[in-house]
Amino acid sequence: AQSVTQLGSHVSVSEGALVLLRCNYSSSVPPYLFWYVQYPNQGLQLLLKYTTGATLVKGINGFEAEFKKSETSFHLTKPSAHMSDAAEYFCAVTQMNRDDKIIFGKGTRLHILP
Amino acid sequence: DAGVTQSPTHLIKTRGQQVTLRCSPKSGHDTVSWYQQALGQGPQFIFQYYEEEERQRGNFPDRFSGHQFPNYSSELNVNALLLGDSALYLCASSRGQGGAFFGQGTRLTVV
Repeated sequence: AQSVTQLGSHVSVSEGALVLLRCNYSSSVPPYLFWYVQYPNQGLQLLLKYTTGATLVKGINGFEAEFKKSETSFHLTKPSAHMSDAAEYFCAVTQMNRDDKIIFGKGTRLHILP
Repeated sequence: DAGVTQSPTHLIKTRGQQVTLRCSPKSGHDTVSWYQQALGQGPQFIFQYYEEEERQRGNFPDRFSGHQFPNYSSELNVNALLLGDSALYLCASSRGQGGAFFGQGTRLTVV
């Protein structure tokens, strides 16, 4: 079975400060890992994904995440927060099979303080 | 490329009624998955369709059913609606392990 735990349902950072959203996963098989962003009244947009290879993954809007197998973590970071980054962020995991179902965390609401 | 499109965007139904939600996948995608996202929660997997067959199913009752058409579009049907079925229903399409692309969702309100 697979699961995802996102630490902190709400995170507040000042504009220009480092963004760090934490995600830990559990998987009995090698995982594929994702971060999705959801703006109010919108669907989910894929920010970045880890499948195989390089453990530091770069995504859109300046975000990146690092897969750490030993820590079962896939934390999302951005060096400098922008007001437009305010949204809900979901960490997700799936198995290395074709088109397997995606298991989502409960989400972290990111607030950007002026 | 229009991406994943869902219709309608909003829907209000009465308890006990039936509802059908529709999804057109991103061009080139052959697999469609449906998710339910309750307020303040992460999306929960309902089921997945591939080659017009239900390939996987999450922990949802039989009131939830679906269909995939030869053009890969899909429908989600919910019978005997309950108040607890009120949620955002998301459709995702994919092909291989490139990651799923999600539509904007259908906001269902059951009154």
